[in-house]
Amino acid sequence: NAGVTQTPKFRILKIGQSMTLQCTQDMNHNYMYWYRQDPGMGLKLIYYSVGAGITDKGEVPNGYNVSRSTTEDFPLRLELAAPSQTSVYFCASSITSGVTGELFFGEGSRLTVL
Amino acid sequence: AQKITQTQPGMFVQEKEAVTLDCTYDTSDQSYGLFWYKQPSSGEMIFLIYQGSYDEQNATEGRYSLNFQKARKSANLVISASQLGDSAMYFCAMRVLNAGGTSYGKLTFGQGTILTVHP
Repeated sequence: NAGVTQTPKFRILKIGQSMTLQCTQDMNHNYMYWYRQDPGMGLKLIYYSVGAGITDKGEVPNGYNVSRSTTEDFPLRLELAAPSQTSVYFCASSITSGVTGELFFGEGSRLTVL
Repeated sequence: AQKITQTQPGMFVQEKEAVTLDCTYDTSDQSYGLFWYKQPSSGEMIFLIYQGSYDEQNATEGRYSLNFQKARKSANLVISASQLGDSAMYFCAMRVLNAGGTSYGKLTFGQGTILTVHP
């Protein structure tokens, strides 16, 4: 039972480079989310999706883009990486948009921008 | 907008004792859910316990219980009989169901509390 899978787990980027963090879930969840966690802090929402083809900005979307071509996949694109994007990134999914039911999280992707 | 506040950056507890981690929340929505997640040093997010805003009983899951005081807008996590493996960061989080239906299940997190269990 894979759940939510993120790749890569670790990555070092140079300033100005671009990359895509991959996220896939095998639970047929419509709702998917990308969060970032800065050191010693809580998680902040970057983007979310309510289904294939539908995405929207969260609290901290600047410098990122997403797409959702299938129910399973929700990649996060970093364009022109900056040191401020050094963080741990979590992808999560949920079967519901209601108040019950937890979000299922991937193991996280640790990104360092130098 | 929703807000979660965890005022204890760090807590220490002796093994086998109980500990309470504080969480207060702010929302104007009537329907919401409160969650606690554990994040060990390995980094993954582990769901612990859930409390719905209309639940009259406090939620319990094994050694975890949620002390829900709706009027005070608090949702404290109580860990009984602490174990060394409980040492981790703990996050309180909230989902709301707003009248416009545009909350889309997003979780809002607090800043977290680092719990250290001493032998």
